[in-house]
Amino acid sequence: DAGVTQSPTHLIKTRGQQVTLRCSPKSGHDTVSWYQQALGQGPQFIFQYYEEEERQRGNFPDRFSGHQFPNYSSELNVNALLLGDSALYLCASSLVWGRTGELFFGEGSRLTVL
Amino acid sequence: AQRVTQPEKLLSVFKGAPVELKCNYSYSGSPELFWYVQYSRQRLQLLLRHISRESIKGFTADLNKGETSFHLKKPFAQEEDSAMYYCALKAAGNKLTFGGGTRVLVKP
Repeated sequence: DAGVTQSPTHLIKTRGQQVTLRCSPKSGHDTVSWYQQALGQGPQFIFQYYEEEERQRGNFPDRFSGHQFPNYSSELNVNALLLGDSALYLCASSLVWGRTGELFFGEGSRLTVL
Repeated sequence: AQRVTQPEKLLSVFKGAPVELKCNYSYSGSPELFWYVQYSRQRLQLLLRHISRESIKGFTADLNKGETSFHLKKPFAQEEDSAMYYCALKAAGNKLTFGGGTRVLVKP
């Protein structure tokens, strides 16, 4: 099991552009969460997907949207990129009904907005 | 709204010395607290959770509801403990709220 995989690992965009990040969850997991980690800070929750629907959302603008596919993989889309969107974007998978609270993280996609 | 605070950005200790990482939280519900760790060039991973009351790699953490704290302790630090540590609080639906993290450097 490769665990949670994310792509791409690094990317550079310019202000105003759009970006799509991808995530495949750990085998057997049905829930995907996305976190943004700015330099020197802890991860911040963006949203969570289960059964192809957004179930929870953090304090992020509508420019941030996502999708979950029937195979549980997920995408994070960010429109109209701002310089402040530069960060490491982490995907984490879990079992929604698991009460352990354990998330399995990917290595992240580092986005640089110029 | 929930909040997690880790007041120390960096803790530097010598090998064999005790280490304590502070974590304070604010949450109106019944908290579930976790410590996650990120070793160099590795992904973020769970270290321990307060519910299981376990000791992992010699680390323990006690939930103190009166002081709203969940400090992480190890009596004798090892060089392999050098890493970034994040305290996290679980809200409904497996959403985690993370603190800002504490970098631990264990010197030989």
